[in-house]
Amino acid sequence: QVQLVESGGGVVQPGRSLRLSCAASGFTFSSHAMHWVRQGPGKGLEWVAVISYNGNSKYYADSVKGRFTISRDNSKNTLYLQMNNLTPDDTSVYYCASEGIVGGHIYFDYWGQGTLVTVSS
Amino acid sequence: QSVLTQPPSASGTPGQRVTISCSGSSSNIGSHTVNWYQKLPGTAPKLLMYSNNQRPSGVPDRFSASKSGTSASLAISGLQSEDEADYYCAAWDDSLNGPVFGGGTKLTVL
Repeated sequence: QVQLVESGGGVVQPGRSLRLSCAASGFTFSSHAMHWVRQGPGKGLEWVAVISYNGNSKYYADSVKGRFTISRDNSKNTLYLQMNNLTPDDTSVYYCASEGIVGGHIYFDYWGQGTLVTVSS
Repeated sequence: QSVLTQPPSASGTPGQRVTISCSGSSSNIGSHTVNWYQKLPGTAPKLLMYSNNQRPSGVPDRFSASKSGTSASLAISGLQSEDEADYYCAAWDDSLNGPVFGGGTKLTVL
């Protein structure tokens, strides 16, 4: 069955960096675009970034543009999110999600269990 | 403030039918399909409905959804205690050039 397992979360001071990983199994990882979505404490879901199946295209939410970098290693079936210059507003549970697409319209068909990032001094 | 607007809460008794609304604009729901996600406490979100009204394999047919103009709705019939969860609508947004979510609706089964 499809499994997405995030790791790399933790407590970090403002201005520091952190790298999240998402290990995928149970599907052809290299054929799917992948996303990061986050949920802050008491807040709703917020899309963060997407990377195409081959890594050639990447897009970001305005709130993280210039600070976060999404990448993937298809040889390792792993998705990454490099987060730099973190602020308390980045405190969230970060989920990786695989993309499904029908008629040009996307949806998130599988999600990981999430990894908590806490930005605090 | 979420781009898509959902009621913060909804409730119903076992066996009842409840609906959850999702309101957007021409740049999102008006131009793109709507998806719904279910999030149980402490678990990962789960795809509940996609392409406005399609159920993934394994989702009971008690769940249905529809879209009209710039609004969408999720209906749950024969409400069960296990349906108690947070429900999120989502759609692509042309202005933001990315997916956007509703703020979520917490469903309580009384």
